[in-house]
Amino acid sequence: RKEVEQDPGPFNVPEGATVAFNCTYSNSASQSFFWYRQDCRKEPKLLMSVYSSGNEDGRFTAQLNRASQYISLLIRDSKLSDSATYLCVPEGGGTGRRALTFGSGTRLQVQP
Amino acid sequence: NAGVTQTPKFRVLKTGQSMTLLCAQDMNHEYMYWYRQDPGMGLRLIHYSVGEGTTAKGEVPDGYNVSRLKKQNFLLGLESAAPSQTSVYFCASRQQLRDYYEQYFGPGTRLTVT
Repeated sequence: RKEVEQDPGPFNVPEGATVAFNCTYSNSASQSFFWYRQDCRKEPKLLMSVYSSGNEDGRFTAQLNRASQYISLLIRDSKLSDSATYLCVPEGGGTGRRALTFGSGTRLQVQP
Repeated sequence: NAGVTQTPKFRVLKTGQSMTLLCAQDMNHEYMYWYRQDPGMGLRLIHYSVGEGTTAKGEVPDGYNVSRLKKQNFLLGLESAAPSQTSVYFCASRQQLRDYYEQYFGPGTRLTVT
């Protein structure tokens, strides 16, 4: 089983729509989780951190289900500028807490 | 405050040539990382460093060497480049282990090996 699994998409949604991505992880010892955003041919940038059951920041909500080992990201009122690849990142993996393990990402395309 | 910078931005190598990629950060971070990203795949950790003078292997270290002689710099070397090393290379840094784990990434180096 891969350490992090994400649906690659693409998710094509109209502006204003609500869209949700799921991510499953295999390391039950992971305590912290992150969602990064990566624009085409650019470096990843931190979108949200999740340390307990969830986190909300404006239009973005991340939820964590430790029992089922999955994390979700919900985006409300999608904007054109939300078009990007969203990377699920649980802490740990082969290096323990010293490094992050990146999923391959879910691509979102918001259309006018 | 430039954050994380990478040199060069682009490079084309012939098979068997060598090169060094430079990563520099001005945030006084302890931890530094080298990743590669291939189409359709996530970022894969090549090597990392938890402090000046230390390095460790990541997920895909073969064919690469690293050095961290100064805290602000992390060098990635390819001794004998192969076409399989064609990729985008990202460097990242973060503060020593604590509750907040944000990693800051450099803009990437696009390497093509022919």
